[in-house]
Amino acid sequence: RKEVEQDPGPFNVPEGATVAFNCTYSNSASQSFFWYRQDCRKEPKLLMSVYSSGNEDGRFTAQLNRASQYISLLIRDSKLSDSATYLCVVNPMDSSYKLIFGSGTRLLVRP
Amino acid sequence: DTAVSQTPKYLVTQMGNDKSIKCEQNLGHDTMYWYKQDSKKFLKIMFSYNNKELIINETVPNRFSPKSPDKAHLNLHINSLELGDSAVYFCASSQGTAVSGYTFGSGTRLTVV
Repeated sequence: RKEVEQDPGPFNVPEGATVAFNCTYSNSASQSFFWYRQDCRKEPKLLMSVYSSGNEDGRFTAQLNRASQYISLLIRDSKLSDSATYLCVVNPMDSSYKLIFGSGTRLLVRP
Repeated sequence: DTAVSQTPKYLVTQMGNDKSIKCEQNLGHDTMYWYKQDSKKFLKIMFSYNNKELIINETVPNRFSPKSPDKAHLNLHINSLELGDSAVYFCASSQGTAVSGYTFGSGTRLTVV
């Protein structure tokens, strides 16, 4: 089983739609969680950290469910510029220096 | 000012050659990393250095040798390149551990022919 699993997509949605991605992780002792965004042929960039209480940044909301070991990202009012691959990222317990990346969920926002 | 810079951006080379990729960060971070992103877009950690000391070596073949002359630089030397080494190599940095996330460089696209 992969340490971090995501649906690869693509999710193809119209502008203005709300879209949600989920991700599951295998190590229950994982300590930090993130969503990164990666545009085509570019480097991953930190979108937001994910906190146990849930957190929001503008149109983006991240949730963590430790009991079920999943993380979610909700994007409201999708923009064309949101088209990218969204990477679910986990900091495992065995090394506080390491981040484990999911293979990403691709989002396409159409006009 | 680029926070994490890698050179070269593109590298095309023949099997068996030796090549190096350089990475520098101006963020004042003390931890640097090398990741490999393969053709399936899967990002996997290779090495991590904290204050010039190796702290993670993720069972990478010993043809890959990282070198950190100071905490702002982490270079990657690859000997005897193989076809399977073709990938995008990303350098990253963080202040201390990864709990605040990383900042990535723009990547080096290596093609071995």
